Amino acid sequence: NAGVTQTPKFRVLKTGQSMTLLCAQDMNHEYMYWYRQDPGMGLRLIHYSVGEGTTAKGEVPDGYNVSRLKKQNFLLGLESAAPSQTSVYFCASRTTGVQETQYFGPGTRLLVL
Amino acid sequence: SQQGEEDPQALSIQEGENATMNCSYKTSINNLQWYRQNSGRGLVHLILIRSNEREKHSGRLRVTLDTSKKSSSLLITASRAADTASYFCATLYNFNKFYFGSGTKLNVKP
Repeated sequence: NAGVTQTPKFRVLKTGQSMTLLCAQDMNHEYMYWYRQDPGMGLRLIHYSVGEGTTAKGEVPDGYNVSRLKKQNFLLGLESAAPSQTSVYFCASRTTGVQETQYFGPGTRLLVL
Repeated sequence: SQQGEEDPQALSIQEGENATMNCSYKTSINNLQWYRQNSGRGLVHLILIRSNEREKHSGRLRVTLDTSKKSSSLLITASRAADTASYFCATLYNFNKFYFGSGTKLNVKP
């Protein structure tokens, strides 16, 4: 099992460019999350999904869109990147039931110039 | 913001000593979890405590939860150099959303 994987690992964008970050999990988890982490801070929830075909806004959704067309994949899109979106992006998935823990991917480091 | 606060922001101790970090939150929660993050890596789940529990143990970890004060603490006993990392609390609410604290950076000196 690969767990949660994220691609790419690192990307540099110019202001106004678009890109898609891919998160994939092979644990058959229903819930998936996208977070951003800025230096010296905790994670902030961008969007999440409670199942295939569903998405919902988190704490900081502006400037991002997401899609969950397949259960194992959760895509995060930046339509027009801004320097304020320079961050490390983490994807997570989780089980339901008694142990509602999250499993995290290794992160994508994004620099917007 | 629903995010909680953690204190201290940074903690430096000698190997063998105990490390205590605290987390406060703002809303009613379903559970509270602690995660560890090594530099440049993703987060790893350590321990979960439900809203109706007051204390939980796992190996060298002890977590307490006081819902009346909306606070939790994580105690790591007999710290090791390998425990050096950042530690975050995360609260689950509405059974869907997580909010993370700002983190405590722990340095354990050998």
